[in-house]
Parts: sequence; structure tokens; C-alpha cells
Amino acid sequence: QVQLQQSGPGLVKPSQTLSLTCAISGDSVSSNSAAWNWIRQSPSRGLEWLGRTYYRSKWYNDYAVSVKSRITINPDTSKNQFSLQLNSVTPEDTAVYYCARDTGGWYSLWGQGTLVTVSS
Amino acid sequence: DIQMTQSPSSLSASVGDRVTITCQASQDISNYLNWYQQKPGKAPKLLIYDASNLETGVPSRFSGSGSGTDFTFTISSLQPEDIATYYCQQYDNLPPVFGPGTKVDIK
Repeated sequence: QVQLQQSGPGLVKPSQTLSLTCAISGDSVSSNSAAWNWIRQSPSRGLEWLGRTYYRSKWYNDYAVSVKSRITINPDTSKNQFSLQLNSVTPEDTAVYYCARDTGGWYSLWGQGTLVTVSS
Repeated sequence: DIQMTQSPSSLSASVGDRVTITCQASQDISNYLNWYQQKPGKAPKLLIYDASNLETGVPSRFSGSGSGTDFTFTISSLQPEDIATYYCQQYDNLPPVFGPGTKVDIK
């Protein structure tokens, strides 16, 4: 059974870096048929796609323009997981963050979600 | 970015009623449209992909149709466990964009 398990802090101070990890079981981060995404949800912005990483003979990343200057998504093949780093956070980055697997443009598998609050 | 709109934003219906939600894209997205169900405190769950394909294990009372810019999601007979918010999502172009959601509850 394929599962995604998220981990990371629920509270981040303004101007610091938000870091989350998504551990994959039952699939591989290096799969040639999947992409590994981060999506967040807040009352003000709804469901917002942040970016993805995927392997097709080499690694690729795509990022949302709204966070492109602040975001990094990295695969970790040794641990079969991928991570999200979002720099210089503000209270507007407060949201529930989800990792999700995309196998054709749709998200059929999601992590459990992590509420991240940006506050001093 | 492609913009997605949904209507209505919320609805109340009786158990057994037919429920219809519409989703409109700001430009032609062919059939690259998915539907999700989200219950409070849970991650979204994929119900329909490519506008009309039922995800494995999803009850057949859920269905989707449409192409181009106009799409419809239907629950043929509303059940108490269908109380949730429903979202459409396009993937014709990056970035993938979700609609604002339609909250469904029981009258």
C-alpha cells in the first residue's frame, strides 16, 4: 500500500525557513511515472500548488511563480523521500501543507497534511 | 495562469437528491479536469480524473462530464457521507489550479 508520511515543525518564525519532509512507502521517489508535489491550503488562497520534483532520466523541478524565488523541492533517494523548503516566510505562508503524488496530472495520493503557522 | 470558477459556492440538499456542481475554466483545457472531495481535517480525495473517469473504489453515484471550458460534477443520489467540499482542478497547463470549492451539506 502506497503511503506518504509528512513530518516537520508546525510553527515557524517570520523571515525563517519552513522545512517539511514527505516519506514515501510503496513507491519510489525515482519513479519514471510519478511526480512528487507540494500543495498548500489556506482560507485566503484555497488549494495552491507550490511545486514538484520528478525523475525522467534526470531530475526536474517546477515551481509556482508566486513562490519561485523562495522555494526548493529536493528528492532524497537514499531515504526515499522529498522535501520542501520555503525561505523568508511571512504570516501569509500560514497554511496546511500537503505532499501529493501525481501520476498523470491528478493527485491520487496525499500526505496527511501539516498545519504550519508563521508567528513570532 | 488558467482561472477556475465553481458554482454554486455552497448548496443544501436532501438525502437521495441529485446534486450538480459546475466548473468553468478561463480557457480551453480539453478534458484535463479532475474532481476531489475533501472532508474537514482531511486531505482531498480524488474522485474523477480526465473529466469523466471514475477513480478506482469511488462509488458510481459520482460522475463527471464536459470538455473545453465547461464541466459538470454530479452526485446521482446524495448520501449522508457525501457531506464535504468538492473541488475541480485543471492540469492542461502549469501551474495546476484548483477551483474555489463547493460546500455540500444536508438539508
